[in-house]
Amino acid sequence: DTAVSQTPKYLVTQMGNDKSIKCEQNLGHDTMYWYKQDSKKFLKIMFSYNNKELIINETVPNRFSPKSPDKAHLNLHINSLELGDSAVYFCASSQTSGANVLTFGAGSRLTVL
Amino acid sequence: AQTVTQSQPEMSVQEAETVTLSCTYDTSENNYYLFWYKQPPSRQMILVIRQEAYKQQNATENRFSVNFQKAAKSFSLKISDSQLGDTAMYFCAFMKVSGGSNYKLTFGKGTLLTVNP
Repeated sequence: DTAVSQTPKYLVTQMGNDKSIKCEQNLGHDTMYWYKQDSKKFLKIMFSYNNKELIINETVPNRFSPKSPDKAHLNLHINSLELGDSAVYFCASSQTSGANVLTFGAGSRLTVL
Repeated sequence: AQTVTQSQPEMSVQEAETVTLSCTYDTSENNYYLFWYKQPPSRQMILVIRQEAYKQQNATENRFSVNFQKAAKSFSLKISDSQLGDTAMYFCAFMKVSGGSNYKLTFGKGTLLTVNP
């Protein structure tokens, strides 16, 4: 039983294309996140949703659009992909009451050619 | 804004020995959480240990323990009896406990730990 699952795990695409990464959690958590890990392994938050409401939106180009159809799902759509978008994207979830421990998905490696 | 600094980009240790990874952070907050996550070559982010700032007692999880010095804003991770499976990138992270649901993890740049046989 995967707690936080992301698809696809690997994605190779051309510059200018549009792509989506999907995330689902079965932990019953109320908050979900997208983090970006660059080539130097630095992890930075992009977005956070609490009960389908956007609560964190860091300085991210508006080519990136998160969508949360329900509190168990948080998808990331990226328009007009650029070379600099190549990275590993991690989805995570947490329950805001209690330990606030983030559980991460396995990551989605995006390569833009 | 909070910052997290890990001053050791890489470290190595012999199997069965003890190693300490350093982490310092900068914040004006009084209430927060600190975490260590590990990322092995499989890429999965795995929680190692968690510390609440209001607790003076250092957290421990089996072979992993922390030295939390709140006044010095220091949060080091000690790994005892190192095992080959401990080889991973280790990230220190800070989470402010604020009103509402703005729970954001701020990560350090990581320390790559290699355990040698």
